[in-house]
Amino acid sequence: AQKITQTQPGMFVQEKEAVTLDCTYDTSDPSYGLFWYKQPSSGEMIFLIYQGSYDQQNATEGRYSLNFQKARKSANLVISASQLGDSAMYFCAMREGPGSARQLTFGSGTQLTVLP
Amino acid sequence: DAGVIQSPRHEVTEMGQEVTLRCKPISGHNSLFWYRQTMMRGLELLIYFNNNVPIDDSGMPEDRFSAKMPNASFSTLKIQPSEPRDSAVYFCASSFLSGRNNSPLHFGNGTRLTVT
Repeated sequence: AQKITQTQPGMFVQEKEAVTLDCTYDTSDPSYGLFWYKQPSSGEMIFLIYQGSYDQQNATEGRYSLNFQKARKSANLVISASQLGDSAMYFCAMREGPGSARQLTFGSGTQLTVLP
Repeated sequence: DAGVIQSPRHEVTEMGQEVTLRCKPISGHNSLFWYRQTMMRGLELLIYFNNNVPIDDSGMPEDRFSAKMPNASFSTLKIQPSEPRDSAVYFCASSFLSGRNNSPLHFGNGTRLTVT
């Protein structure tokens, strides 16, 4: 079974609108962390936001927020007030277990295009 | 902070040749990861090290691939002999080991390998 599933290969959003990128995950470990990364066309991987499985509140970082629904095992990324520079590939990733001594497993990504 | 430094940025080689990719992690980081990104398979973990010790190399495709981390500030990924199917972007990433799973991976800019 896929550990991270991103069902939207591509998404379009109008500039200044909000957009939600979906991510579901599969783990039996009670302790895990969820991460979102942005990969622009230039290729670098940029860390955006983190949500821990025990965190009581949804994570927020500027225009990025995470809609964390633990019972549904979903961790959707919400980008508010989209900008043209937000056009990129977005990856959801998970680290299972406590501590940081393990790898991140990545989803297949969602290509976001912001329209002027 | 210089970030994770990878070299070369681009490598074009002929089938059968040896290829060596290099990585300098962020100073103070004690976990290092090698990922490969292709259109077909997405981001795959090849191998990772904690405190210079290889922890999981189950993602290394076959014996043609080898990785070393002789010290905390340097790692290599070697392919010998290279094949056209090895063409991909190879990312190195580093992070700080801690008791919490919230340490993100910091990625280098990647090496785009083309094997003809």
